[in-house]
Amino acid sequence: EDQVTQSPEALRLQEGESSSLNCSYTVSGLRGLFWYRQDPGKGPEFLFTLYSAGEEKEKERLKATLTKKESFLHITAPKPEDSATYLCAVDDNYGQNFVFGPGTRLSVLP
Amino acid sequence: DGGITQSPKYLFRKEGQNVTLSCEQNLNHDAMYWYRQDPGQGLRLIYYSQIVNDFQKGDIAEGYSVSREKKESFPLTVTSAQKNPTAFYLCASTPTGYSSYNEQFFGPGTRLTVL
Repeated sequence: EDQVTQSPEALRLQEGESSSLNCSYTVSGLRGLFWYRQDPGKGPEFLFTLYSAGEEKEKERLKATLTKKESFLHITAPKPEDSATYLCAVDDNYGQNFVFGPGTRLSVLP
Repeated sequence: DGGITQSPKYLFRKEGQNVTLSCEQNLNHDAMYWYRQDPGQGLRLIYYSQIVNDFQKGDIAEGYSVSREKKESFPLTVTSAQKNPTAFYLCASTPTGYSSYNEQFFGPGTRLTVL
């Protein structure tokens, strides 16, 4: 059975304090790993797609990396507006089976 | 502007009632999905549809029903058979149903509360 876990469950950072969020997955055949940002009471907002081990993508203060078993979302010098829940998901069947992790709730304090 | 709309934003249901949640997209996407989100849990797939007039059950389809009569619309009915329907419901779409590497685009969600 495909599984996605995320750690930590919650993370509190001071503004400017860099850190990383982890997404570990077990799937039969990875077709894509996705990162989303979700603000309270809203739908998830797409951030990145990673397709193969070794791949990296960046957007502003965020950088996503992928290995064969896990993905990291690195946050460099975060700001309070980066506070949100970050969701990881995998697709192992060409859009017919997205599996989401429970998310990491990030709080960045000024 | 292209996007996915869900209505209503908040919905209250009495026990024993069926309610229908609306999801419309103008992105010309083929595939559409319904998820349920509960606190502390990941999104769980209820139903998905790769093309018009075709849909498949997800992991938690019991107590729910859908239809896909038009490409842009994928309504979800929460029936009285769903024992614990209070949750945040999210609709999503992807450009093509059977190709790889498709990120999902999400609507703003509907929060359903059973009174």
